[in-house]
Amino acid sequence: EVQLVQSGAEVKKPGESLKISCKGSGYSFTIYWIGWVRQMPGKGLEWMGIIYPGDSDTRYSPSFQGQVTISADKSISTAYLQWSSLKASDTAMYFCARADGYAFHIWGQGTMVTVSS
Amino acid sequence: DIQMTQSPSSLSASVGDRVTITCRASQGILNDLGWYQQKPGKAPKRLIYAASSLQSGVPSRFSGSGSGTEFTLTISSLQPEDFATYYCLQHNSYPWTFGQGTKVEIK
Repeated sequence: EVQLVQSGAEVKKPGESLKISCKGSGYSFTIYWIGWVRQMPGKGLEWMGIIYPGDSDTRYSPSFQGQVTISADKSISTAYLQWSSLKASDTAMYFCARADGYAFHIWGQGTMVTVSS
Repeated sequence: DIQMTQSPSSLSASVGDRVTITCRASQGILNDLGWYQQKPGKAPKRLIYAASSLQSGVPSRFSGSGSGTEFTLTISSLQPEDFATYYCLQHNSYPWTFGQGTKVEIK
């Protein structure tokens, strides 16, 4: 079964760093783009960026460029989303999703990130 | 960036109603558009890809149409399990962009 499994919920303080993960299984991890999507509480979906694990080619939304880093470790079939200094406004659910040539098809279950002092 | 304008932002409908949701792209995107359904606390689920192709396993009451800048998602006969929020997503060029969402509520 093709699936993406994300790391668990996080509670952090402003200024802390964080790296969340998305592990793919049931398919060849290196040949499908994986993207990240933010959903702030009660709000819509926002496309953050996407990575091709085969060569780590990465594209960001201008809204998120410089605010987060997307990476991947193909040896363990895992993509990452990281922050160096969290803000309260980073509180949101974060989804990873696999693209299949027609945008996103397979989604992770989501990781809730709460940033509060 | 390509802006996706989705309408309406919400609607109230009854079981059995025909529902239509529209997305307009700020520039032409060919048929590089998908439609997603999201229920509270869950990940989105793709219903339609390439603007009009039904995702495997999705009921045939869902259909998509359009090309270029105008796209529609139609639910031919609304069922209780269809009450959810719907989003379009363009993947013609980076950054990909979602519509603002349409919440379909029970009348």
